[in-house]
Amino acid sequence: QKEVEQNSGPLSVPEGAIASLNCTYSDRGSQSFFWYRQYSGKSPELIMSIYSNGDKEDGRFTAQLNKASQYVSLLIRDSQPSDSATYLCAVNPGDSSYKLIFGSGTRLLVRP
Amino acid sequence: GAVVSQHPSRVICKSGTSVKIECRSLDFQATTMFWYRQFPKQSLMLMATSNEGSKATYEQGVEKDKFLINHASLTLSTLTVTSAHPEDSSFYICSAKTGGEETQYFGPGTRLLVL
Repeated sequence: QKEVEQNSGPLSVPEGAIASLNCTYSDRGSQSFFWYRQYSGKSPELIMSIYSNGDKEDGRFTAQLNKASQYVSLLIRDSQPSDSATYLCAVNPGDSSYKLIFGSGTRLLVRP
Repeated sequence: GAVVSQHPSRVICKSGTSVKIECRSLDFQATTMFWYRQFPKQSLMLMATSNEGSKATYEQGVEKDKFLINHASLTLSTLTVTSAHPEDSSFYICSAKTGGEETQYFGPGTRLLVL
């Protein structure tokens, strides 16, 4: 069974710090990786996608992918209280269905 | 761009009734739409994948006769929960993608409460 694993948290960081969120996946054939943010009671919103090994930066967010280790992470620099949410890692298993397998999410709490 | 809407945002119904939820892509053509369900403090669970003009593909364990999905146009998919029961109470979320992209854009979700 294809799985995506995340630490449920909560991960608590002070305002201005770097928050590091991690995700591992089981299907070595996975090709596409996504990070979504979900505020309580709301639906997920896309933060970033990453397809190649290495780092991808977008503003305060950096996604890192290591396919050999089957590991994807999200770094949030200069964390703000408004970043407090659950962060969902999603993986496309590359079976042409385009469906996403979601991790259970990591709850991030940024303390003012 | 890439806006997805859902209607209604919240619905309360009596046990045994049917509820229809609409998912619309407002500014793009959605060749594929996905329906998810999320219980409190749990992650999203994919229920089914629907492609415009063809039958939906249901995930294992999802009753296709209970959760009817129709994707009649490139901008609209509907999910009908038939003979709803209290255990069907959940947050139902749709997402949509275009043919050229893998990214899924999510609707705001529909919160269903079955009494």
